[in-house]
Amino acid sequence: ELKVEQNPLFLSMQEGKNYTIYCNYSTTSDRLYWYRQDPGKSLESLFVLLSNGAVKQEGRLMASLDTKARLSTLHITAAVHDLSATYFCAVDEDSNYQLIWGAGTKLIIKP
Amino acid sequence: SAVISQKPSRDICQRGTSLTIQCQVDSQVTMMFWYRQQPGQSLTLIATANQGSEATYESGFVIDKFPISRPNLTFSTLTVSNMSPEDSSIYLCSVGQGPSYEQYFGPGTRLTVT
Repeated sequence: ELKVEQNPLFLSMQEGKNYTIYCNYSTTSDRLYWYRQDPGKSLESLFVLLSNGAVKQEGRLMASLDTKARLSTLHITAAVHDLSATYFCAVDEDSNYQLIWGAGTKLIIKP
Repeated sequence: SAVISQKPSRDICQRGTSLTIQCQVDSQVTMMFWYRQQPGQSLTLIATANQGSEATYESGFVIDKFPISRPNLTFSTLTVSNMSPEDSSIYLCSVGQGPSYEQYFGPGTRLTVT
């Protein structure tokens, strides 16, 4: 059974700092997704990583995938308050659109 | 990417009643999903709804409690039946679309059962 673990589950940081969220999964897969959820809102797709070594960047966020280590990272550079949200990673094991979700990382960035 | 709407956006219901949530997509999609999200929690898949076939329910969810319809490729409904306070949650529909097998989400329905 595929399991997806995120850490940390909660992160409070100051503006301007760098930090990384980790997403580990338990079986082979080369499809990993990052989503953002603002309080009271739905999920917004951030990154789609489809192969080993894939790296995607959008603004202050950069995501990468290492399928051999079964690990994806979401790196935040020089954090700003607007990035405060909950971030979820999800893995597609069978290429059938069904995703296995991590528990989410609640990120609070203090001005 | 698909644009998805849900109705209602929120509702407060009495225990023992039922609520039907609608999910409308602006393009034809094969796979639709219904999720439940408790406050501060991750997503829990209720069922997968493919047009022309019975919905496939995940462990812990049954058709009598969460009947789903999928009459065409752009629309689905989820009914929460005989509600109890434990059903208070956000219900999300999503669609699977594109060669990257990505899921896109509707805005959600916030349900409170009193």
